[in-house]
Amino acid sequence: QVTLKESGPVLVKPTETLTLTCTVSGFSLSIPRMGVSWIRQPPGKALEWLAHIFSNDEKTYSTSLKTRLTISKDTSNRQVILTMTNMDPVDTATYYCARIGSSPPFDYWGQGTLVTVSS
Amino acid sequence: DIVMTQTPLFLSVSPGQSASISCKSSQSLLHSNGKTYLYWYLQKPGQSPQLLIYEVSSRFSGVPDRFSGSGSGTDFTLKISRVEADDVGVYYCMQGVHLLTFGGGTKVEIK
Repeated sequence: QVTLKESGPVLVKPTETLTLTCTVSGFSLSIPRMGVSWIRQPPGKALEWLAHIFSNDEKTYSTSLKTRLTISKDTSNRQVILTMTNMDPVDTATYYCARIGSSPPFDYWGQGTLVTVSS
Repeated sequence: DIVMTQTPLFLSVSPGQSASISCKSSQSLLHSNGKTYLYWYLQKPGQSPQLLIYEVSSRFSGVPDRFSGSGSGTDFTLKISRVEADDVGVYYCMQGVHLLTFGGGTKVEIK
């Protein structure tokens, strides 16, 4: 059974760095062409893709956010980590991780984690 | 970046009727490998999105055949036949030919 679960702080202050972890089970991050993406959704708004990382460590970032994002993985611990620097209230959103790779993209999603940016 | 534009923003449908959602991309989604990377997702209230359609018209595992996708190039359509109460939510198209971009979403409700 494939599952993904996001974890991280529920509240961050402006200018701080956000670190989110996606812990996966039911598939391996070492399988060729397997990967995980991060997607976010501000309250009441549309989905926005942020970044993804594949098993070969290939990384791709959203054009608009690439200067603030870093994605990495810890294959042995089945985790994908996203950091976002210089957080702002407009970054308040539910952050999702989802599987990408050998199947159609985003065939499995985590439950999401709401991050609020406020002083 | 490729911009995805969905219409309408909101759709109210009677049970048993059909509904269509349009999705237009600012560039062709046809890849040099011959595949067209257009996907449809449904986000039911309070839930994570779920994959419905991939590569324009292929239904994902477990998706009822009431859902169908069509289109080519820059113009795509999701059709829901015989709408049911469980179909309510926000539908998103997404392109995958260059990075990944979602449309703005179409909210579907039942009359």
